[in-house]
Amino acid sequence: QQQVKQSPQSLIVQKGGISIINCAYENTAFDYFPWYQQFPGKGPALLIAIRPDVSEKKEGRFTISFNKSAKQFSLHIMDSQPGDSATYFCAAEGGSARQLTFGSGTQLTVLP
Amino acid sequence: KAGVTQTPRYLIKTRGQQVTLSCSPISGHRSVSWYQQTPGQGLQFLFEYFSETQRNKGNFPGRFSGRQFSNSRSEMNVSTLELGDSALYLCASSSEYGYTFGSGTRLTVV
Repeated sequence: QQQVKQSPQSLIVQKGGISIINCAYENTAFDYFPWYQQFPGKGPALLIAIRPDVSEKKEGRFTISFNKSAKQFSLHIMDSQPGDSATYFCAAEGGSARQLTFGSGTQLTVLP
Repeated sequence: KAGVTQTPRYLIKTRGQQVTLSCSPISGHRSVSWYQQTPGQGLQFLFEYFSETQRNKGNFPGRFSGRQFSNSRSEMNVSTLELGDSALYLCASSSEYGYTFGSGTRLTVV
């Protein structure tokens, strides 16, 4: 059972544009929602994370929007740059189990 | 501060063999988790260790096992390798601030 659904699978954005990636979860016990960025040959690197007590968190060009009632959260990348081209994963964790449940990933390409 | 170190980076094994992968967590991190990453299944949780005890296990067959040593270093072992075990195996160490992943071990089973 896929507990975190991520869309779109791929995304192409022009330099300077806004990239938006969406995730939806099912398990209401989740209470930690991180986003990871992965480059080829590297492990996922934490970009930004949010907990359900806030609806938005911003760090530099990266913003997480969180909608607890809809069980959805999204990543917004402002002023997208070619260096942002990578695969992005949303994830969720919560309850008694200390494990991340990942979305299927979004391959972002930012055109120069 | 050194990151998470995984060795080896690449491995080629034959079907039926066994393999051991190693992970050294960030100094001070007592929790180590393992994940399998494949194009078809994405990132899937294998198991998590804390203070030498397995606290949580994912939905993988018993051929996949692991352990953690007193210095928090961890190993995972896969026995009787199958072609479908070809994947990137990622280790993550964690604290209250989140998870840090290593660069992974790329295992190819032929």
